[in-house]
Amino acid sequence: NAGVMQNPRHLVRRRGQEARLRCSPMKGHSHVYWYRQLPEEGLKFMVYLQKENIIDESGMPKERFSAEFPKEGPSILRIQQVVRGDSAAYFCASSARTGGRNEKLFFGSGTQLSVL
Amino acid sequence: AQSVTQPDIHITVSEGASLELRCNYSYGATPYLFWYVQSPGQGLQLLLKYFSGDTLVQGIKGFEAEFKRSQSSFNLRKPSVHWSDAAEYFCAVGAGNNDMRFGAGTRLTVKP
Repeated sequence: NAGVMQNPRHLVRRRGQEARLRCSPMKGHSHVYWYRQLPEEGLKFMVYLQKENIIDESGMPKERFSAEFPKEGPSILRIQQVVRGDSAAYFCASSARTGGRNEKLFFGSGTQLSVL
Repeated sequence: AQSVTQPDIHITVSEGASLELRCNYSYGATPYLFWYVQSPGQGLQLLLKYFSGDTLVQGIKGFEAEFKRSQSSFNLRKPSVHWSDAAEYFCAVGAGNNDMRFGAGTRLTVKP
């Protein structure tokens, strides 16, 4: 059973371009979370999605960032018109059931986004 | 507001020595506490968690952590470190998966 798969592992974009980060949850998982890790800082929650629904996007910047988790296919974190401050490692996690207290998260290996 | 502090950015220990990674938190209610390990090139893995009950929690890979309410701490310990333990360790606090706060991480280097 493959774990949470994120691709690409490394993504380089120039300022103003779009970045699309993909996350395939573990088999049987229907809940996906995105986190951003900035240098010297901890992981910060961005968004929590279920299939075809955004449950909590309180950690998402108001502009340029969006996320989706379609019925078929991976979850996508999309960053439009990237800026240098978007450079970070983005981690995806999945869980089998609703994001309750006891639900174990499984994390992907992350995508390192570098904006030139 | 909840917050998590890991005072040590980088710790170096010799293989076979004991280890303690510090974690202090601020949380309005009884916290749920976690320790994750992030190995180079790999994803995060849950080492252990505390929700209630016995304040000494046993985790995987020989790790344990003790919840001390009076000190608002949840320090991670291991009696004897192995070279494969070298990694970044994150303490986290929260009430649910979308309400978690992570510390800045402590990087562990293990000397032969």
